[in-house]
Amino acid sequence: KAGVTQTPRYLIKTRGQQVTLSCSPISGHRSVSWYQQTPGQGLQFLFEYFSETQRNKGNFPGRFSGRQFSNSRSEMNVSTLELGDSALYLCASKTGEAAGTGELFFGEGSRLTVL
Amino acid sequence: EDKVVQSPLSLVVHEGDTVTLNCSYEVTNFRSLLWYKQEKKAPTFLFMLTSSGIEKKSGRLSSILDKKELFSILNITATQTGDSAVYLCGINAGNNRKLIWGLGTSLAVNP
Repeated sequence: KAGVTQTPRYLIKTRGQQVTLSCSPISGHRSVSWYQQTPGQGLQFLFEYFSETQRNKGNFPGRFSGRQFSNSRSEMNVSTLELGDSALYLCASKTGEAAGTGELFFGEGSRLTVL
Repeated sequence: EDKVVQSPLSLVVHEGDTVTLNCSYEVTNFRSLLWYKQEKKAPTFLFMLTSSGIEKKSGRLSSILDKKELFSILNITATQTGDSAVYLCGINAGNNRKLIWGLGTSLAVNP
């Protein structure tokens, strides 16, 4: 069974640009959540989607957005990039249990560097 | 404000040592506590704890939760170099059931 797949794995952008990251969950998993990981802040929750609906949202500015498609694949977008957006962006999926419960399966992440 | 604090932030031990990692929390409406191991990129699941006093065990790793004192510990006995990783503690809490994470404990096991 394939794991959670994130693309691209690495990318470099400049300030002011935008970026779109993609996440394909494990087959059969309907919940996808996104996290930003930095050395100083650790793992911070961005948002969670279930059946194409945003179920939860973290405390990030509106420049961070996401969506989920009918096949459960998800994308997140960051517009007007800032230096502080440099981070590892992790996606995690799980089956359709109640919100916030159950084991999360993480992808390997997308490493974003903003210059 | 909900918070999760892990200690120590980093730890260096020798193979064969036993280590205890701590995770304390202050959250509203606690639901569960999760331990993950992050070696390179993708964190991998270790344990989920919901009830106080019930030890979860997997090989040399074990974990227990104390909901009265608001903490959990992760024990690793007879450490091996393959245990070198960042160990993450996450709390599922609140009416919206968000996951709140600690900064992690970076464990280095030297041969």
